[in-house]
Amino acid sequence: GQQLNQSPQSMFIQEGEDVSMNCTSSSIFNTWLWYKQDPGEGPVLLIALYKAGELTSNGRLTAQFGITRKDSFLNISASIPSDVGIYFCAGPNLSSGGGADGLTFGKGTHLIIQP
Amino acid sequence: NAGVMQNPRHLVRRRGQEARLRCSPMKGHSHVYWYRQLPEEGLKFMVYLQKENIIDESGMPKERFSAEFPKEGPSILRIQQVVRGDSAAYFCASSLQGAAEQYFGPGTRLTVT
Repeated sequence: GQQLNQSPQSMFIQEGEDVSMNCTSSSIFNTWLWYKQDPGEGPVLLIALYKAGELTSNGRLTAQFGITRKDSFLNISASIPSDVGIYFCAGPNLSSGGGADGLTFGKGTHLIIQP
Repeated sequence: NAGVMQNPRHLVRRRGQEARLRCSPMKGHSHVYWYRQLPEEGLKFMVYLQKENIIDESGMPKERFSAEFPKEGPSILRIQQVVRGDSAAYFCASSLQGAAEQYFGPGTRLTVT
């Protein structure tokens, strides 16, 4: 089945630093989604990407859809304490086609910010 | 503008009992998805439903698990004869018809003792 590999698995950074994480797959995805999950909560959608090469920003977050459709990255600029959490990439399963499908998730990147 | 609602937030069951997890999608959303998350893992897709129809249940265990999304009322994920391995966080998500973006509820944390 489809798999998404996220790296790094965890990041320890200082407040104010920029963060970069990525997500790769052996198969093509037509949509990439980035979510953030806080402890005890559900994932919150950060950014959705639909076209190869697309670069999209949401405040201090920027994400890109790789040209090969097999990767995506997420950058966070000038990190702040509330950025702590687990960041997941996800893409629609190809089993039934179309836009509305179950999602395959990566295992996440844990972001820890040291004061 | 209520988001996806799930209840209960926490559920404790003894081995062999039944667990019922409820999900109300966002207003205007007609597609519901259920996922399971084990500690330190990503979310695993279980089932995708529209009103009164199961569209994709490829991630559902073949036994003891069932899901429904009736014409009226919330979607229900039902686990019969729970075992310790069923302990996990179960998340529901909803989307607009044809949309890839899914919006998640806060989850139900099931503990089987």
